[in-house]
Amino acid sequence: GQQLNQSPQSMFIQEGEDVSMNCTSSSIFNTWLWYKQDPGEGPVLLIALYKAGELTSNGRLTAQFGITRKDSFLNISASIPSDVGIYFCAGHSGAGSYQLTFGKGTKLSVIP
Amino acid sequence: DGGITQSPKYLFRKEGQNVTLSCEQNLNHDAMYWYRQDPGQGLRLIYYSQIVNDFQKGDIAEGYSVSREKKESFPLTVTSAQKNPTAFYLCACGSLGDTQYFGPGTRLTVL
Repeated sequence: GQQLNQSPQSMFIQEGEDVSMNCTSSSIFNTWLWYKQDPGEGPVLLIALYKAGELTSNGRLTAQFGITRKDSFLNISASIPSDVGIYFCAGHSGAGSYQLTFGKGTKLSVIP
Repeated sequence: DGGITQSPKYLFRKEGQNVTLSCEQNLNHDAMYWYRQDPGQGLRLIYYSQIVNDFQKGDIAEGYSVSREKKESFPLTVTSAQKNPTAFYLCACGSLGDTQYFGPGTRLTVL
C-alpha cells in the first residue's frame, strides 16, 4: 500500500528558531494536508494543499506541495512554546479516494 | 456550533466486554472515519463510511464493528474479539477528495 515517510521523527529546538519538516511518498498524491495534534486531543488541520507547486501560508506556518506530487514540507518560523506537539502530514491519492494516508508524525519540542 | 464530537473522553472496560464509542458531526459531510492511534505508530484506519447504511473495512477492522444509520452518526463498537483494545480512538469526517476533520478523541483503557 501507499506509505508516507515523515522526517524528522522528533526535534528539539530553541524558542525563536525556525523549523522544517517534510514528507515523501512512493506514489503521487493529489492533496497534501498538514495537521497538528496536542497531547490527548484530536489532530487539527493547519494547511491544505491542492496543486503541485502550491505554496500556502497560515500565520507563521508555510507549506508547499512538491512539483513531483510525491512530497511536501512544512516550515514554522520563529517558534514559540505553544508550537509543541505532533505534526502529521497526510495525502489523498486522487478522485474517488475517501482515504487519507498519514505519516507517523514529527514530535516538536520547544525549549524556552 | 458546527463540528464533530466524540464521547466519552475517557472509557474504561473490563476484559471480555463490548463497548461503544460515539461520534456525531453536524458539518454535513458524507464520509466518516474511525482511526486508532498508538504511541509512535501514527493513525491507522479501522472503518470508514461514504454514505448512510454503507461502510468499508480499513486496515485494522478485526475486533471492531460500526453502523451508519444516520448521516450525522457513526458509532464504533470495540468487541471482546479485539485482542489489544487499549488505545486512543479518533473519529473524523470529510468530503470526497478533501480534508478530514477530527473529533477530540476517546481514550479507551481495558482493565
